[in-house]
Order: sequence, then structure tokens, then C-alpha cells
Amino acid sequence: AQKVTQAQTEISVVEKEDVTLDCVYETRDTTYYLFWYKQPPSGELVFLIRRNSFDEQNEISGRYSWNFQKSTSSFNFTITASQVVDSAVYFCALSEAETSYDKVIFGPGTSLSVIP
Amino acid sequence: DGGITQSPKYLFRKEGQNVTLSCEQNLNHDAMYWYRQDPGQGLRLIYYSQIVNDFQKGDIAEGYSVSREKKESFPLTVTSAQKNPTAFYLCASSTFKGQSYEQYFGPGTRLTVT
Repeated sequence: AQKVTQAQTEISVVEKEDVTLDCVYETRDTTYYLFWYKQPPSGELVFLIRRNSFDEQNEISGRYSWNFQKSTSSFNFTITASQVVDSAVYFCALSEAETSYDKVIFGPGTSLSVIP
Repeated sequence: DGGITQSPKYLFRKEGQNVTLSCEQNLNHDAMYWYRQDPGQGLRLIYYSQIVNDFQKGDIAEGYSVSREKKESFPLTVTSAQKNPTAFYLCASSTFKGQSYEQYFGPGTRLTVT
């Protein structure tokens, strides 16, 4: 069965600190996709990244970076030099590749507070 | 501007009343979805539709109904049979990008039933 675990319910950091959000997933499929979404206080989910199971290269986008490790079934998200605008709930998600639609399994989310 | 519109942002209803949440998209996406979000539980799929006039139950469809008469519209009705309707409801649509579908979300409707 598919499952996404985000063990950190809430994290607080002081501005400019680095912070890593953990994501562990379970799937029996060999082909799958992993996502990170950001949900600011306004409520709308904002897509951050998609990673397929065959691409284990780490990715960096500005202050954001992602570490995908199939050996540990993890897809962790690091924010470098955090800012107050990074305060949000972050969701890790998983989908199988063979379905004709995108059934996405979401983790419970990690609420990040960046304190000025 | 292309996007997904959900209205209203906040909705209040008395217990026992049916209520319909609106979701409209102008992205020309075939697939649309409704999710429910409760504190600490992430998003759970209520219904999804891959094409006009077709829809499927998600993980928590009981007490909800949908229709998909137009590609752009996927309204969700929360019926009186839904035991705990107070929640944040998110609508999404998806398109195929690269090798997988990418979902786009609306701003959500916060429903409070008293």
C-alpha cells in the first residue's frame, strides 16, 4: 500500500537558519513520482517539485534543495537561510505512474514557522 | 490568467442542509479532483473526474456527490449525510507533464456547519 510519512508535525526556526523537512514513503511500485507542495496561510497549495523514481539526482532551486534516496525511501526538503515568507505547511506526496489519472497520496504535512 | 476558482472562500451552513461548493477551471485540463483537508491529516481524495460526464469515488466519498457536465466545472455537494462536514475543501485539476500528471490547486473553500 502507498503511504507517505512526515514525522515532523511542527517546526520552528529563527530566520536565516537552515531547516530540513523529512519525508518517508512506501510503495510497491518501481515507477512512481514524488512531490512537494507548499500551503501558505491563504490555503492554496503551491507546487514545488516533482521527482520520478528513476532520477535520484539531488536538485537545488535557489534556497530550496531536495535529497531523494531510494535506499531509505526518503525525499527530504531543505530550505537554506530560511525567511519569514517560508512559513507554511509543507506536504510531501506520492503517485504511481501507471494510473491514467494522478491519484496522489499526501503526507500529513509539516507546519514550518520561521521567526524573525 | 489561467487557473482554478473556488467560491466562496468561506461558507457557513446549518446542520441538515445540503451545500454545493463551486470549482471552475480555465486551464483546459481533463481531470479534476476534490480533496478534503482536516488539521493534521493532510489531504484526502473525495471524488475525481477524468472526463466530462464521468467521475469516480475517492477514499472518502460517503456523504458527498459531484457532477461533471462541463469540462470547466466540477461542483461538489456536501449532503446532510456527511457526518463531519466542517473542513477545508480543495479542488484541483491536472494535466500530463513530462511523464506524469501535475496537479494544480484552487484557493479552497472553508466550510463550517453548525
